[in-house]
Amino acid sequence: DTAVSQTPKYLVTQMGNDKSIKCEQNLGHDTMYWYKQDSKKFLKIMFSYNNKELIINETVPNRFSPKSPDKAHLNLHINSLELGDSAVYFCASKSSGDYNEQFFGPGTRLTVL
Amino acid sequence: KQEVTQIPAALSVPEGENLVLNCSFTDSAIYNLQWFRQDPGKGLTSLLLIQSSQREQTSGRLNASLDKSSGRSTLYIAASQPGDSATYLCAVATSGTYKYIFGTGTRLKVLA
Repeated sequence: DTAVSQTPKYLVTQMGNDKSIKCEQNLGHDTMYWYKQDSKKFLKIMFSYNNKELIINETVPNRFSPKSPDKAHLNLHINSLELGDSAVYFCASKSSGDYNEQFFGPGTRLTVL
Repeated sequence: KQEVTQIPAALSVPEGENLVLNCSFTDSAIYNLQWFRQDPGKGLTSLLLIQSSQREQTSGRLNASLDKSSGRSTLYIAASQPGDSATYLCAVATSGTYKYIFGTGTRLKVLA
């Protein structure tokens, strides 16, 4: 009955590889997000989709490409991984309407060697 | 550009104390403000959401207040317990956007 789930939980890979992280929410929400939490624990928004449409695209390298096949899923593909990409990536979802509470997934810890 | 700051960065208190965590934001045109807790190695758990039209929200031992004009929110924790030890984050949604800006967090340790 997990509300927002992410896979994998841990990802260890070599520099230059391409990897994907998947996110699914079963809350029926319209809006989904990707955040990056760096080593200092600062959370920064990367992307947001609303009803499968990209609405927020922060200054993220174009090696990062989000894809939303449907409202319940938002995946993140990263090309040519670099050491600086090592971080914890969180997916979140939010309902529309008056009460816009965000719910977060458990995170994916990416380590680039 | 919205900036969100949390003070103090870290706090250590004995069990049973009442405490206040602060969140400041530079742009008062906000849609809502949400408080979260994050346990080590875990995701974020939503604690309280305050809409821009509200002054406070309460849940159990937690009370969050919002003063938009001064750009401040406080999270009050009553009768703190060791289980409250975590990092507390506030996030501000700016009006007219879906964008949330997170504060720098307050790392709380409640000593038994």
